[in-house]
Amino acid sequence: GAVVSQHPSRVICKSGTSVKIECRSLDFQATTMFWYRQFPKQSLMLMATSNEGSKATYEQGVEKDKFLINHASLTLSTLTVTSAHPEDSSFYICSAPNRAAAKNIQYFGAGTRLSVL
Amino acid sequence: AQSVTQPDIHITVSEGASLELRCNYSYGATPYLFWYVQSPGQGLQLLLKYFSGDTLVQGIKGFEAEFKRSQSSFNLRKPSVHWSDAAEYFCAVGAGDTDKLIFGTGTRLQVFP
Repeated sequence: GAVVSQHPSRVICKSGTSVKIECRSLDFQATTMFWYRQFPKQSLMLMATSNEGSKATYEQGVEKDKFLINHASLTLSTLTVTSAHPEDSSFYICSAPNRAAAKNIQYFGAGTRLSVL
Repeated sequence: AQSVTQPDIHITVSEGASLELRCNYSYGATPYLFWYVQSPGQGLQLLLKYFSGDTLVQGIKGFEAEFKRSQSSFNLRKPSVHWSDAAEYFCAVGAGDTDKLIFGTGTRLQVFP
């Protein structure tokens, strides 16, 4: 089956630093990937759509300069939380559809728990 | 706009009992519907999906769901729950050609021995 790898699984950083999270599709190519944010005991909120070779599409209310997304290859998307602050602490999850296998089925990474001190 | 409602925030069942998790959606066309399960601190695993055809779909781990257009529902069922089924369950609707998923708020399932 399709596998999406997300790294790191957990990161603790100081306020004001930047953190990069990687999302890789291991056995398929993904021209599109999605980044979600999940607060404790809440649902997943779509932050942005990462598009290979072009700019990401951000959902309303998501700060583009705060959450930088780069999709430089068909298997890798990165989310950089710039100048992180405690309110950015959350669980970030990426997903990618494997269109070669079946349309509209997304495969999820295991998530990254970000804690900003 | 698409939306998904999961009315039950938290459900507790005894091991071996039957289970039904409710999901209602709002979507203008025929929806793509999904159920995902999330264990604590983990990503999401697809349980089953409905795109078209037979309205009763079978998934992994003994789960099934029934699409009822008249009720805008896609409820998840399992005849006999196992302790390992304790997790968070999310219903989602796919937004057509964009591959985007709109998630419900989730239902936390607790299983007592």
